[in-house]
Amino acid sequence: EPEVTQTPSHQVTQMGQEVILRCVPISNHLYFYWYRQILGQKVEFLVSFYNNEISEKSEIFDDQFSVERPDGSNFTLKIRSTKLEDSAMYFCASSGQYYGYTFGSGTRLTVV
Amino acid sequence: AQTVTQSQPEMSVQEAETVTLSCTYDTSESDYYLFWYKQPPSRQMILVIRQEAYKQQNATENRFSVNFQKAAKSFSLKISDSQLGDAAMYFCAYRPAETSGSRLTFGEGTQLTVNP
Repeated sequence: EPEVTQTPSHQVTQMGQEVILRCVPISNHLYFYWYRQILGQKVEFLVSFYNNEISEKSEIFDDQFSVERPDGSNFTLKIRSTKLEDSAMYFCASSGQYYGYTFGSGTRLTVV
Repeated sequence: AQTVTQSQPEMSVQEAETVTLSCTYDTSESDYYLFWYKQPPSRQMILVIRQEAYKQQNATENRFSVNFQKAAKSFSLKISDSQLGDAAMYFCAYRPAETSGSRLTFGEGTQLTVNP
């Protein structure tokens, strides 16, 4: 079964540093997403991406965040200057034309 | 705005017994999709079951079934013959059907413990 692949599985970074989280969505999917889950809390939507542009973003997705699809396969989330409160599990997901979402296994980001 | 509420932060069940997890949601949309996701300690998000709002028949997937009450905006998950591997956090989620690529809105989650 096709999978969404996320790398790295765990990243530790110093506060103020830039991080890039990487995702390879399912190849024939059209929509790509990033979600965040702070430990012990619910999963929150960050951004959706379609046709090489952001289609929707939440209030969490401020100027510190950006997304990119640099080539035909990768989908990245960049956090420009990390804060302690950015520590969370970040999930990438993709979906096709219909309702089916597939999530990656997540990247655990720890900001110290 | 759509909201999803799971009123049971924790539930427990004996192995081989049946448990029901509750979920309610609020929306003004007439067509939408509802999901239950399982999150084990690895924190991966695993789709358990999904329901299309236009379908009156409740979805089933092996030991997992839902009770979808559209008028009441209720979407509960029933796990039959509970197994130790069912222990996880369970999230209810909603997305509107009108727009492809719409966001998922999640509930707060229910932590399910399965006792041997």
